[in-house]
Amino acid sequence: DTAVSQTPKYLVTQMGNDKSIKCEQNLGHDTMYWYKQDSKKFLKIMFSYNNKELIINETVPNRFSPKSPDKAHLNLHINSLELGDSAVYFCASSQASSGRFAYEQYFGPGTRLTVT
Amino acid sequence: DAKTTQPNSMESNEEEPVHLPCNHSTISGTDYIHWYRQLPSQGPEYVIHGLTSNVNNRMASLAIAEDRKSSTLILHRATLRDAAVYYCILSRGSQGNLIFGKGTKLSVKP
Repeated sequence: DTAVSQTPKYLVTQMGNDKSIKCEQNLGHDTMYWYKQDSKKFLKIMFSYNNKELIINETVPNRFSPKSPDKAHLNLHINSLELGDSAVYFCASSQASSGRFAYEQYFGPGTRLTVT
Repeated sequence: DAKTTQPNSMESNEEEPVHLPCNHSTISGTDYIHWYRQLPSQGPEYVIHGLTSNVNNRMASLAIAEDRKSSTLILHRATLRDAAVYYCILSRGSQGNLIFGKGTKLSVKP
């Protein structure tokens, strides 16, 4: 039973194309995230959604648009792909952070995006 | 966001304990200390987290200094499967976002 799944695992596409990466979690979590890991292996948060509402939007080009049809899914749509978008994208989920408590995040296996 | 400092790499022998240090001298009172690890070609995996007291779980122990300016992740018996990059991360209690640093690459020798 996969807790956080992403599709596709690999995505190779050309500059200028539009692509989507899908993420689903079956943990019943309220909060989902997208992270980007670049070629230097730095992991950086891009977006966070709590119960289908955007709560974190780091400095990300507006070519990137997250879409949450329900709280179990958070898809990432990317318009006009650029070479610099090549990276591994990780989806994650957690219980909703509230008050003083912090909860562990569960990560998906990642999607390796290569833009040529 | 408060930052953490970790050694770039460490080596351990299989079945020996491993102590992975982390300095976080600018930690604030509401910052949690998290440890995640990332095995090659996989997503990060939660290891442990704590606020003030030492914590134990099935994977590891977290020892937090009294002034909270440093912490140590303890793997009691390293296995080859523990070879990974270990990230020490601070997060505010009510905010879920994790700010990953460079981490410590742990190598385990048989």
